[in-house]
Amino acid sequence: AQTVTQSQPEMSVQEAETVTLSCTYDTSESDYYLFWYKQPPSRQMILVIRQEAYKQQNATENRFSVNFQKAAKSFSLKISDSQLGDAAMYFCAYRSSNSGNTPLVFGKGTRLSVIA
Amino acid sequence: DAMVIQNPRYQVTQFGKPVTLSCSQTLNHNVMYWYQQKSSQAPKLLFHYYDKDFNNEADTPDNFQSRRPNTSFCFLDIRSPGLGDAAMYLCATFLAGVGTGELFFGEGSRLTVL
Repeated sequence: AQTVTQSQPEMSVQEAETVTLSCTYDTSESDYYLFWYKQPPSRQMILVIRQEAYKQQNATENRFSVNFQKAAKSFSLKISDSQLGDAAMYFCAYRSSNSGNTPLVFGKGTRLSVIA
Repeated sequence: DAMVIQNPRYQVTQFGKPVTLSCSQTLNHNVMYWYQQKSSQAPKLLFHYYDKDFNNEADTPDNFQSRRPNTSFCFLDIRSPGLGDAAMYLCATFLAGVGTGELFFGEGSRLTVL
């Protein structure tokens, strides 16, 4: 079974600075998806960024980028120019692409605080 | 506009009193999931529907049931809530067969058991 590990329960960053959230995963599959989801307090979970395993290029979405190391099974999220609105719980998640309805496997999450 | 809508957002019930949480979606997705999320923990999958096919996770208690009367709606029934069932319940949808892999979440229903 696949597992996702987030080793940082909490992180903090100064506004306008850069922060990196770590994620590692374990799988024997070669084709899969990786995600970072953001869950603000009392708000819905939204997708931040997605990476397909077959793509070597790291995904980027505005201030958010990933460092995907397939051989090391590492998938870290970098947030540049941090804003107060980035404060949230961040979940790394894995999904197999082998089955149409395979559910997400979540890590335990990292709570990010942004300091003004 | 909200695409996955959960009701109620907040539910307070008494120990043992049945509760039903609802989820509706405007995305026409064929898969709907129910997750349980306790404070500061990762969401835990309870079960999901792929069209009308129900898929229960092995460790989901019998106390939890689900219904999906049509594509747009899915319900979570907790027959006899215990104190340990207090949590946020998340509904998510997914379009199987399309290669994005993304799940769309509702805002959640927070259940308090007194």
